[in-house]
Amino acid sequence: KNQVEQSPQSLIILEGKNCTLQCNYTVSPFSNLRWYKQDTGRGPVSLTIMTFSENTKSNGRYTATLDADTKQSSLHITASQLSDSASYICVVSASNYNKLIFGAGTRLAVHP
Amino acid sequence: GAGVSQSPRYKVTKRGQDVTLRCDPISSHATLYWYQQALGQGPEFLTYFNYEAQPDKSGLPSDRFSAERPEGSISTLTIQRTEQRDSAMYRCASADRVDSDTQYFGPGTRLTVL
Repeated sequence: KNQVEQSPQSLIILEGKNCTLQCNYTVSPFSNLRWYKQDTGRGPVSLTIMTFSENTKSNGRYTATLDADTKQSSLHITASQLSDSASYICVVSASNYNKLIFGAGTRLAVHP
Repeated sequence: GAGVSQSPRYKVTKRGQDVTLRCDPISSHATLYWYQQALGQGPEFLTYFNYEAQPDKSGLPSDRFSAERPEGSISTLTIQRTEQRDSAMYRCASADRVDSDTQYFGPGTRLTVL
């Protein structure tokens, strides 16, 4: 069982619609959780990073939530654009940034 | 080796000088990543190597930054004509393969540009 699980694996939405991606983790001890956007063949681009004391963080049309008690996080994308089509990866850091555990990602396709 | 090592651990340089940072990944790891980390923030991707190939340089902030991994093992990150805004922690991570879900980070190099 992966230590960081994301759902759904893939998602297709229409331009302008909202969507929510999920991330559940079992990594312990937990240091922080981040969401990355990754275009095909490119390196990941950080969207948000949250420590256990933060419940929500926004970055433009992206809003991430974290429930450290249930070990769940979500990434909400508002008013999707075609350029949002990418993989969204949840990454959990196990103490002191020395180890990052990557989820498999959710592949989002935004259609006109 | 047992883990990822980086050198030097600390580097202080004057603005305009060139610096080269070194990363020794875990032996046999195919993939090596460079990140820049500002104080209190998570690592920001700079570039990565799969063996000696460098598929993605998109995170390098300017053409003053370059990285090499000529033999697919040790990597160097060079910053030319350093500027004060280059001051940060530079972290290297390695993974056994490009699609591995786990990256192992080195201790980082703290660069201070005066």
